[in-house]
Amino acid sequence: NAGVTQTPKFRVLKTGQSMTLLCAQDMNHEYMYWYRQDPGMGLRLIHYSVGEGTTAKGEVPDGYNVSRLKKQNFLLGLESAAPSQTSVYFCASSLRDRVYDEQYFGPGTRLTVT
Amino acid sequence: KNQVEQSPQSLIILEGKNCTLQCNYTVSPFSNLRWYKQDTGRGPVSLTIMTFSENTKSNGRYTATLDADTKQSSLHITASQLSDSASYICVVSAGVGDKLVFGAGTILRVKS
Repeated sequence: NAGVTQTPKFRVLKTGQSMTLLCAQDMNHEYMYWYRQDPGMGLRLIHYSVGEGTTAKGEVPDGYNVSRLKKQNFLLGLESAAPSQTSVYFCASSLRDRVYDEQYFGPGTRLTVT
Repeated sequence: KNQVEQSPQSLIILEGKNCTLQCNYTVSPFSNLRWYKQDTGRGPVSLTIMTFSENTKSNGRYTATLDADTKQSSLHITASQLSDSASYICVVSAGVGDKLVFGAGTILRVKS
C-alpha cells in the first residue's frame, strides 16, 4: 500500500515549456487535490476532483490544467511554464470531502522554472 | 477574511524540552481544526483533528487544545526528540464551500 505517490520528484523547466505532473493513489479515494506550497505561505489549492471524470478550480487555477481519466490518477499540467510557477507541488486524496475527511498527501514535486 | 495565523514562525529548543505552538484563526463558520507535521522534503502528515466540541486531543507526545470562543489552538510537544524537527501546520475548515484555510506553519528545530 503505497498511499499517494507523485512523479517526478524534481524538475527544472525553461519559461514557456510544458510538463505534466502525475499523482497516483491506491486507497480507492474519491477526492483528489493539487496544491502548491511557497515559502512563508500556507498550502494553496490549485484544482481538485470529486470523482473520476470530474475536475474543479481551486484558489489559484490560472496557468494550470488537470485531468482525472482514472479514479486512481490525477494529472496536473502546465501548458506554458512561468517563473511564478516555481514552487513545491503536493497532491492529496481523501475518501470523501476534505472538510470532514482526512487528507493524505504525496511527497511533493519541486519545480523550478528559469 | 478567512485567515489562520501561526506563531512563532520558527523555534529552536533543546532535546528533551517541551514547547507550545500557537494558532489563531478567523475562519467562519468553523467546522474543525487540524494540526499537521511536515518533515523536510515530505508531504504533511496529520497529527490531530478537533471539532467544535473538543477542547483537548492527544497523539502520543503531541497534545492539541482548542478554544472555539477565542478562536485559538495550541499544539504542545512534550519531551521533544530530534525527530520532532519539522514544520507544524494548522489548518481550519469552514463549514461551507469546502473551504480549508492553511496556516504558513511553524518551523521547529530540536537540537541535542
